[in-house]
This record gives sequence, structure tokens and C-alpha cells, in this order.
Amino acid sequence: EVVMTQSPVILSVSPGERATLSCRASQSVSSNLAWYQQKPGQAPRLLIYGASTRATGIPARFSGSGSGTEFTLTISSLQSGDFAVYYCLQYDNWPPTWTFGQGTKVEIK
Amino acid sequence: QLQLQESGPGLVKPSETLSLTCTVSGGSISSTNYYWGWIRQPPGKGLEWIGSIYHTGSTYYNPSLKSRVTISVDTSKNQFSLKLSSVTAADTAVYFCARVRGLLGGYFDVWGRGTLVSVSS
Repeated sequence: EVVMTQSPVILSVSPGERATLSCRASQSVSSNLAWYQQKPGQAPRLLIYGASTRATGIPARFSGSGSGTEFTLTISSLQSGDFAVYYCLQYDNWPPTWTFGQGTKVEIK
Repeated sequence: QLQLQESGPGLVKPSETLSLTCTVSGGSISSTNYYWGWIRQPPGKGLEWIGSIYHTGSTYYNPSLKSRVTISVDTSKNQFSLKLSSVTAADTAVYFCARVRGLLGGYFDVWGRGTLVSVSS
């Protein structure tokens, strides 16, 4: 079973600053990694898939990188609507399992 | 535009079976390109994948829940369903249904709004 570990648990950032979120897999998941943003009372919103491809309509300030076991989500200049919880998801195809990280909360500093 | 909507009781008694349905609109559940999945989120906690199903009925379950979970599909109604047996308070959560884009090597791209299910006597 693949375990996904996100760090930090809480990230305090000022508006306009850069935020860097990490996600580590316990074994290689190739590039089968997605990132989601979730705001209170809402469903998760897909930001990134394939480790680095932005989903439709996602602003360019969101970028993803990494492969294998180490992944990063970078928000280049935080806007007020970006303060939320972010989850990574591995979707390695065999055996078919989907595993989320525990989340990183990005809060206003 | 594809939409998913969860429905079912908001309150279930301990030891009973939780039953939810996800209705898909704006697209066909029988599309060959997608799996469909259930995910849950206990209050104040993270996301947990429960299981996924293809329109043929092929299923994959989270090993930690496998003994209690059944996911089924009704292509005539464009719906898929979740049953979770022998529930306890630990199963209290918001339950989401979602589409898996890319088949087994795919990610959840469209989500329902979620429905809160509480387990309490």
C-alpha cells in the first residue's frame, strides 16, 4: 500500500508570497500524482494531474513538479482565494488504488 | 456539463448499513473512458478513497474497508451506489462521488457536492 505524506501540515504565508507544498510517496508512483484545493464546505477542486499538468481553468500561478516519490505544488503569488487545504493524490494503476495525502492547510500569515 | 449528485439518508444507526446513490447527469456512466468512485471525509479530517467501479461492474475497494463495502452500478438509471455495512461512529463523514478520468491510472476530475452521513442512535 502506497502511503502519501504531505508537508508541512500548516503553511503560513502572506498574500503575494510564494507557497511551496510537498508530497512524498512511500514508493514510486511515476507521474501518477494529482493536486486538489479544498475550501470549507466544498468538494475538492482538481488543480494538477500527471504531476505537472494544470487542469482546465487553473491559473498559471499554480505549478506542479516531481516524479517517482517526491512532488511539489508551488503557488507563485498567493491570492486571497488560495487560502485553503491542499491534498495530493496518487493514482498508480496497478494494483488499482487511490491514496490521498493528509493535506496541507495554507493560511494567511 | 457533467454533474454528479449524491443522495441518501443523512442519519444511520450504528451496526446498520449506509446506502448512498450517485446520479450522473450531462454524460453517460457507460462511457468507456471512465471509472466512477466514492471518497469520504470525516469532519475536520482528510480524504479517504472508498472504492471505484466501471460500468461493466468491475470494482476496486480500499483494502481497509473492503470487508464492509459494496459498490454497484445501474446503467439504465445512470447511477452508481455505495453500501457500507456494520457502521460505527467512525463512519460519520461527508461522502463524495466522483468521476475517474483515465481509467485505472486516472484521477478524480469531477466531483459531487458531497452528502453528510452521521452514524448515531
